[in-house]
This record gives sequence, C-alpha cells and structure tokens, in this order.
Amino acid sequence: GAGVSQSPRYKVAKRGQDVALRCDPISGHVSLFWYQQALGQGPEFLTYFQNEAQLDKSGLPSDRFFAERPEGSVSTLKIQRTQQEDSAVYLCASSLGGLAAGGGETQYFGPGTRLLVL
Amino acid sequence: AQSVTQLGSHVSVSEGALVLLRCNYSSSVPPYLFWYVQYPNQGLQLLLKYTSAATLVKGINGFEAEFKKSETSFHLTKPSAHMSDAAEYFCAVSDRGGGADGLTFGKGTHLIIQP
Repeated sequence: GAGVSQSPRYKVAKRGQDVALRCDPISGHVSLFWYQQALGQGPEFLTYFQNEAQLDKSGLPSDRFFAERPEGSVSTLKIQRTQQEDSAVYLCASSLGGLAAGGGETQYFGPGTRLLVL
Repeated sequence: AQSVTQLGSHVSVSEGALVLLRCNYSSSVPPYLFWYVQYPNQGLQLLLKYTSAATLVKGINGFEAEFKKSETSFHLTKPSAHMSDAAEYFCAVSDRGGGADGLTFGKGTHLIIQP
C-alpha cells in the first residue's frame, strides 16, 4: 500500500479484556516501531522490530503488553487484561533500513488506533 | 538520556504572520532532530529533519528549522502562516544512530491560526 495502515481505528474495551492492534507497514520496510500517545502528550516509544526480530522492547510498560511480527511484515500489539491507564492512541511507524542504515532515517507513521478502556 | 522540551503548549498567530515553534533538546552525542505535524485523527507527518548535513533545514509546506548546537535548539519557523497550518507539532530527537532508533518526542505545541 501507499502508507502505513492500522486497524481497528477505534477500539473500546472493558477493563480486563484482551485487545489486539494490527499494523501493516509500508511494503519492504525493514524496521517497525510501536508508540503510545496519551491524551495531550507526545508519542512514547514502546518497541522496535527489525524484520521479525524484536530488538528493543524497553518501552513496554508492563508484561501485559506483547508485540510480534512473525513474518517480518504485519505486526500485532497485544494488551492483556486491559486497564484504564492503557487508554491512549497506539501508533505504528516503519522505516526502510534496519540497524545498518545510517542515522536519522525517516519513520512513516500510520493513523493510529485509539483505545478506550472503560 | 535524551530529552526534548517544547516551549509553549499552545501558540496562536494571525494568518500571514511569522510562525515560531521552539524546541530544545538534550543529548550526549550529536543528535538527529525531527519536526512532525499531526492533524486531527491522523498519524504524524514528517515536516523536516536534521541529519548533520546542513544546519538550516528546509521542509515541506514552507517550514524550515535551524540547528544551533551552542543553544541546543532546533526551532521551527514559517514566514507567513496559513489557516491550513493549524495542527499539533512535535519535535523529536534520536541520538543512537542507525535505522533502529526509537524517537523521543516533546509534548507538542498546538498551533492556532487566527483569521
């Protein structure tokens, strides 16, 4: 596709439910990032994949958060036993190169999934 | 640890006036710096980026920014504001290099354009 796509665009969950958020990166992009954007704040880094390998998960806020990219393209962010503080917009971004690429590569962002936990 | 400070959560200018959005960063090594724009219910779109090639960087939609190492600043400017510039603007930094660097964002500045 032309850009990064994410689904669903909106998700309402009851506290304690599990949710799965999908990201389709730009075709051929090696790197994939997940960010969490709370209301009125800037995005915060969650995790990074190079192809299918999750190389950095330092930003995941708890062990209830899990991400995967099994075939090196589509990625899923899963949140187990959702809590109200998980309510946020979850942004996915992709970039062309991986670890070996030069610094300052452009990250292309999807429209995000707005999660509301009641 | 790297960080970004955007002065002013809201900036209001008149249509046709100069736009100035401030960004200061902290980094232990020479950074890569970015400005992104976010329209309501949309993802972030890159306006411009600094990658050490030139200190004055020109971006899309008439925006530009100047990297000033001595001031640790990367302020965003546009000579003449348009109504369509109303949006949220984020400054971001990465300093670990490589293509695998998660960005550190500021809290954003909401730009309001008065008719």
